[in-house]
Amino acid sequence: SQELEQSPQSLIVQEGKNLTINCTSSKTLYGLYWYKQKYGEGLIFLMMLQKGGEEKSHEKITAKLDEKKQQSSLHITASQPSHAGIYLCGAKGSNYKLTFGKGTLLTVNP
Amino acid sequence: GAGVSQTPSNKVTEKGKYVELRCDPISGHTALYWYRQSLGQGPEFLIYFQGTGAADDSGLPNDRFFAVRPEGSVSTLKIQRTERGDSAVYLCASSLRGSSPDTQYFGPGTRLTVL
Repeated sequence: SQELEQSPQSLIVQEGKNLTINCTSSKTLYGLYWYKQKYGEGLIFLMMLQKGGEEKSHEKITAKLDEKKQQSSLHITASQPSHAGIYLCGAKGSNYKLTFGKGTLLTVNP
Repeated sequence: GAGVSQTPSNKVTEKGKYVELRCDPISGHTALYWYRQSLGQGPEFLIYFQGTGAADDSGLPNDRFFAVRPEGSVSTLKIQRTERGDSAVYLCASSLRGSSPDTQYFGPGTRLTVL
């Protein structure tokens, strides 16, 4: 079965700093999803990446997919307190179900 | 438009009791998924519906768990003889078709606590 490893497990940054979260898969990635979760809330969809080398941006968040390395990264530029939460990567294998990593807890100090 | 909704938001029950958790997907979405999230973990797949039928229930942990979607819209996850280990957040998601690429949109979850 597919496993996803996220690093770091947790991250504390000062407001305004840049940061990167990584997600590495044990198997080939057919689609990689990034979600954000706040305590007591569901998952908020951020971005989906499908092709190797693909890069997508939304506001100050950029995600890349390195298919050969079976890895994706999420980069936040000039972090803000509103970026705080748990970031989860989810991979779709050869079917429809998503396998998730354990998440990265991001704290942004003002 | 309205997103995925789940009720109740919190459920506290005693060991051995029966519980039902409800999910109302985004209108027009044919695919519906249930996941379970334990503390400090990512969501784990339980069951997938395409229309009214359960296309894949391989993630259900045992026969105490059952889910239905009789009219292809609202779904109910049913847990019999609850155990303390069933305590978790139960998340529902829906997507337009179920096939790839297809984004799954999640509800806020139901936090189940079994005393």
